[in-house]
Amino acid sequence: EDQVTQSPEALRLQEGESSSLNCSYTVSGLRGLFWYRQDPGKGPEFLFTLYSAGEEKEKERLKATLTKKESFLHITAPKPEDSATYLCAVQAMVYGGSQGNLIFGKGTKLSVKP
Amino acid sequence: DAGVTQSPTHLIKTRGQHVTLRCSPISGHKSVSWYQQVLGQGPQFIFQYYEKEERGRGNFPDRFSARQFPNYSSELNVNALLLGDSALYLCASSLRQGENYEQYFGPGTRLTVT
Repeated sequence: EDQVTQSPEALRLQEGESSSLNCSYTVSGLRGLFWYRQDPGKGPEFLFTLYSAGEEKEKERLKATLTKKESFLHITAPKPEDSATYLCAVQAMVYGGSQGNLIFGKGTKLSVKP
Repeated sequence: DAGVTQSPTHLIKTRGQHVTLRCSPISGHKSVSWYQQVLGQGPQFIFQYYEKEERGRGNFPDRFSARQFPNYSSELNVNALLLGDSALYLCASSLRQGENYEQYFGPGTRLTVT
């Protein structure tokens, strides 16, 4: 069964204290791995897509990396405005027909204190 | 440019009633997906529509149904509401169905069933 597990569930950082969020996945065939940011009561905001092991993408203080079994979201020198829930999702290969649905983890709730 | 829009933003219904949620995709996007997100969990896939045809269905009861219109907007219908249907309902649009196309989410409709 395709599955996504994120850790930790919650993370508290001081402003400027760098850290990493983990996303472990099991999927029959990976089409893509997606990172989203979600603020309370709002829809997820797209951050990155990673397609193959070894791939890295960066955006401001965020950097996402991918291996064959997990992905990391590295946050460098975070600011209070980075506080949010970060969601990881995978899109699986489906043969004999296409399904574009995403399988999400439960998310990591990040709090950055000034 | 307008993103994905959803209406209404909030809704309160009584058990046993019926509800219709609406979604307008990003201009030019032909695929719409629906997700349910309960508090503290990641979004769960309900349906995907592409070119007005259902292309994927998640593990939800037959009380849930959807359709896509010629202008690519979509409706999600839920019959015989249960307390457990209380959740944030998210609509996501993408350029095409399947493959590695990013899905962009709307702000969601918060449904409360009493």
